[in-house]
Amino acid sequence: NAGVTQTPKFQVLKTGQSMTLQCAQDMNHNSMYWYRQDPGMGLRLIYYSASEGTTDKGEVPNGYNVSRLNKREFSLRLESAAPSQTSVYFCASSAGTRNEKLFFGSGTQLSVL
Amino acid sequence: LAKTTQPISMDSYEGQEVNITCSHNNIATNDYITWYQQFPSQGPRFIIQGYKTKVTNEVASLFIPADRKSSTLSLPRVSLSDTAVYYCLVGDGSTGANNLFFGTGTRLTVIP
Repeated sequence: NAGVTQTPKFQVLKTGQSMTLQCAQDMNHNSMYWYRQDPGMGLRLIYYSASEGTTDKGEVPNGYNVSRLNKREFSLRLESAAPSQTSVYFCASSAGTRNEKLFFGSGTQLSVL
Repeated sequence: LAKTTQPISMDSYEGQEVNITCSHNNIATNDYITWYQQFPSQGPRFIIQGYKTKVTNEVASLFIPADRKSSTLSLPRVSLSDTAVYYCLVGDGSTGANNLFFGTGTRLTVIP
């Protein structure tokens, strides 16, 4: 099993450009998450999807949109990238939403110039 | 918002036992305490989870006092491969996954 797969692994954007980060899991998990990680800040939750068809904001949702395409896939979109969105982005999944083990992808390194 | 406090960094020699403590004063009655390990350029990986007293698995032990306002991750006889950042994760009592707050983590460096 691949677990949680994220694409791309690296991306460079110019300010104002848009892009979508893709995430897929093959563990039949109900819940999926997008985190960003900045130096000295730990991981911060951007959006999550408790189950197929639902999405909710996390701690830092501004500037992002998400789509839970189906049970397997959860995408993160930057409509107009800003330098403040330079970060490492991690997708994760879990069977449920509370007290459940999170499984993470390997991350996407995004630089916005 | 739930808040956890961990030491920013720790150093240890190979073969020693390492204890990393996390403070979580606002933990809710029904929340568990979970620890993750993160290596450079990788996503965090689950280590151990507990609710109270002591939990042990093949890689670590987790000690939780009766008031549950703190927890201690114990790594026995660390090796160089245990050099990583360790995160303590708790909820804040609200419903939904937006209570999954990672702290800033503890960077453990194992010295030969």
